Amino acid sequence: SAVISQKPSRDICQRGTSLTIQCQVDSQVTMMFWYRQQPGQSLTLIATANQGSEATYESGFVIDKFPISRPNLTFSTLTVSNMSPEDSSIYLCSVGGVRSTEAFFGQGTRLTVV
Amino acid sequence: AQSVTQLDSQVPVFEEAPVELRCNYSSSVSVYLFWYVQYPNQGLQLLLKYLSGSTLVKGINGFEAEFNKSQTSFHLRKPSVHISDTAEYFCAVSSRGNTGNQFYFGTGTSLTVIP
Repeated sequence: SAVISQKPSRDICQRGTSLTIQCQVDSQVTMMFWYRQQPGQSLTLIATANQGSEATYESGFVIDKFPISRPNLTFSTLTVSNMSPEDSSIYLCSVGGVRSTEAFFGQGTRLTVV
Repeated sequence: AQSVTQLDSQVPVFEEAPVELRCNYSSSVSVYLFWYVQYPNQGLQLLLKYLSGSTLVKGINGFEAEFNKSQTSFHLRKPSVHISDTAEYFCAVSSRGNTGNQFYFGTGTSLTVIP
């Protein structure tokens, strides 16, 4: 299993500002995933972050809006840039690897943009 | 790409009654199947998973699910629910790619247990 610490757990931000969410894993993992869960909806994959290469973004998500860093095998950050109220969501970090058949999730970051 | 359909967005059920949460998936390749639970204001917790072998999978908290390949279904069941089972339940599939597993989630089923 993997234990994931995600910070902050929640934040209220002004529109036009940016927020960086941190994700720390207690073991080295190949891949880290960032999801968005909009109110009352399921999880939508934003991007996949591999250490040592640029993140791979899903359709509808772009690097300028959601830049991701992956400096090592235990840590990643997701930035939500130039926020608007539509960005109000829960953002979840997840890990899984080539040898892992299970996804583990952080507690999530509940973001409210006002 | 895979897709996951959870047919019921909301399921109210009385305490101690049985419940079934339905999940269907579409995929042209072999997949792994999962049910996750999300309690209010918390992250996702794995209930159970099907990787291979027996099609009846038992998970935590008395839940079980049955993989039906011909119907491409993976329905979640519990014979007697408790108040504490009130939560959001997500069905998910993953497939093994060249660089790891990618997960696809259903839209979720909100289970409300009525006293």
